[in-house]
Amino acid sequence: DAGITQSPRHKVTETGTPVTLRCHQTENHRYMYWYRQDPGHGLRLIHYSYGVKDTDKGEVSDGYSVSRSKTEDFLLTLESATSSQTSVYFCAIMGGGTDTQYFGPGTRLTVL
Amino acid sequence: GEDVEQSLFLSVREGDSSVINCTYTDSSSTYLYWYKQEPGAGLQLLTYIFSNMDMKQDQRLTVLLNKKDKHLSLRIADTQTGDSAIYFCAERDQTGANNLFFGTGTRLTVIP
Repeated sequence: DAGITQSPRHKVTETGTPVTLRCHQTENHRYMYWYRQDPGHGLRLIHYSYGVKDTDKGEVSDGYSVSRSKTEDFLLTLESATSSQTSVYFCAIMGGGTDTQYFGPGTRLTVL
Repeated sequence: GEDVEQSLFLSVREGDSSVINCTYTDSSSTYLYWYKQEPGAGLQLLTYIFSNMDMKQDQRLTVLLNKKDKHLSLRIADTQTGDSAIYFCAERDQTGANNLFFGTGTRLTVIP
């Protein structure tokens, strides 16, 4: 347990609505990541952050935005959710002596 | 991006050894990882290997790395029913973000 929580853990929403997922860490790690997990694809990086207000895109960033106004919180926003964004979303931090990534418990999002 | 491949399924009998294989593409990767995901849970780091090593052993787990063939394997000795899970290999890229590229995951089923 690397002190990572995600909220909500489950969410069902409708196409076209905005959705924000929250990742919270308690250990002041600089790097934070958002991934999505889909069958047949493993985990794919959406966005990452390397400090407060410092973010960059990952492999599948279209349709997503992120914000990091505090070290401990990294928010992922779907401005207008689509059914293709139905997925399980994982947050991760990078820590430890070997800069290993540790994952949160995930958020299951269903877009109807 | 990097391309990491794994077979999707593996079934073994309880007490036998399991070998999960992975191939990767980035020959400059410094770290390679194995994560375990149990149903409904996040990813748990199992072990990692640094690229200048060819083997790492940790209790029942043995990781073998063949850099020439870009092949990574995870051997689980005396496989137990609690080892049933999805196993992901991942390679770390060499940019400053240290992003991970995951395989599709191998679902290990242990038959009692």
